[in-house]
Amino acid sequence: SAVISQKPSRDICQRGTSLTIQCQVDSQVTMMFWYRQQPGQSLTLIATANQGSEATYESGFVIDKFPISRPNLTFSTLTVSNMSPEDSSIYLCSVEDKRGTGELFFGEGSRLTVL
Amino acid sequence: KNEVEQSPQNLTAQEGEFITINCSYSVGISALHWLQQHPGGGIVSLFMLSSGKKKHGRLIATINIQEKHSSLHITASHPRDSAVYICAVPDDKIIFGKGTRLHILP
Repeated sequence: SAVISQKPSRDICQRGTSLTIQCQVDSQVTMMFWYRQQPGQSLTLIATANQGSEATYESGFVIDKFPISRPNLTFSTLTVSNMSPEDSSIYLCSVEDKRGTGELFFGEGSRLTVL
Repeated sequence: KNEVEQSPQNLTAQEGEFITINCSYSVGISALHWLQQHPGGGIVSLFMLSSGKKKHGRLIATINIQEKHSSLHITASHPRDSAVYICAVPDDKIIFGKGTRLHILP
């Protein structure tokens, strides 16, 4: 199993600013996943963060807008840059237990509101 | 690409009622996940199943691989079961349903 600590849990931000979300896992994992969940929608994968290499971004998401760091096997950050009201969402990090059960684990989510 | 459909989108029930949430998918899978999302946004894994049935407390999950369908049942529902329930299947990435918003009235 894995326990993921994510922060901040929520924030209210001004248009044009940037916010960095942190995720700390209690075990070493190869890949960490960052998701966005817009109001009333399902989770959408932003990118996969691999330790020691550039993150892999999904279609519609770019590094300049969502830079990701992955300095070690237990930690990752996602920055939402130059925010606009359309970025108001819940952002979640996740890992998969690929070597064991295949179970999914998620952080507590970061609820961002951009004014 | 797999398509995941959940029904109903919203469900309100009285405390004690038996709850059923359905999930169907379009392409054969190796496993299916049922997740619970609390109002704060955090998500916890309830079940991962590839065949048959699994039970944990008042929660039961079933899957029919041939029919590409899974159900999540809650027996003796309680207001604390109020949450969004999401099914998800692995593809080249995880594909999530839109969720079922459940509200249990006391």
